[in-house]
Amino acid sequence: DAGITQSPRHKVTETGTPVTLRCHQTENHRYMYWYRQDPGHGLRLIHYSYGVKDTDKGEVSDGYSVSRSKTEDFLLTLESATSSQTSVYFCATSTDFGTDTQYFGPGTRLTVL
Amino acid sequence: GQQLNQSPQSMFIQEGEDVSMNCTSSSIFNTWLWYKQEPGEGPVLLIALYKAGELTSNGRLTAQFGITRKDSFLNISASIPSDVGIYFCAGQLAGNTGKLIFGQGTTLQVKP
Repeated sequence: DAGITQSPRHKVTETGTPVTLRCHQTENHRYMYWYRQDPGHGLRLIHYSYGVKDTDKGEVSDGYSVSRSKTEDFLLTLESATSSQTSVYFCATSTDFGTDTQYFGPGTRLTVL
Repeated sequence: GQQLNQSPQSMFIQEGEDVSMNCTSSSIFNTWLWYKQEPGEGPVLLIALYKAGELTSNGRLTAQFGITRKDSFLNISASIPSDVGIYFCAGQLAGNTGKLIFGQGTTLQVKP
C-alpha cells in the first residue's frame, strides 16, 4: 500500500468554502496523483505531480489546485467548494510514470452542502 | 476523452462459480492493470500486464493482455465470499504520458 495516508477521511462543508485535502506517503515515490471517484464514472484524474513543485492537470482539473512542497506531501485544494465536488477523493503514488503501477490511499469522503 | 468499456457492470454469483470480466477500448494500450476495491477503502492492485498476449496469474485470479492491445480480461476461479468488491481495469495509452484511464468497474457479489 506504499504507506499512503489521507486526511481528513471524512469532511462535510458548505458551498463556497475552501477545502484542502492532504496526502502523505512514506515510500519516497516520485509521482503522486489525485483522483475523484463517482458512481458510473470510475476513477478520474484531477491533477498529478512528477516531483517537488512539478504538477500538471488531469482530466477533471477545473475548480481544483494542487501543491507539492515536499516529496511526501501532495495537497489538493478546492478554492470554493461546489456541490458537484461532492465525491470520494483518492491519492495514489508510483515510482515511475507510465509503466509502473499506482498504489492508492484509503480515500477522503467529501460532502459539499 | 478516452474510455474503457468494462463489462459486466455487476455480477451476482454463487460461491464456487468462476467469474469473468473484461475491458475493451478502441485505443491501443501499453499497460493493463486490474484493481479490487472494498467498501471504504482505496483500490488495491491485483495484477499488472505489460506485454500483448501476456497471461498472468495471482492465486485464483488470471488476467490477460489482449493481443490487439485494445482489451484485457480478468478471471476468478472458484469464487469465495471474500471476493466481493468492485473490480476495476486501468490502462495506460500507447504514446501517452503515463496517465491511467479507468474502467467504470464491475461489482461482484458472491452468495455463500
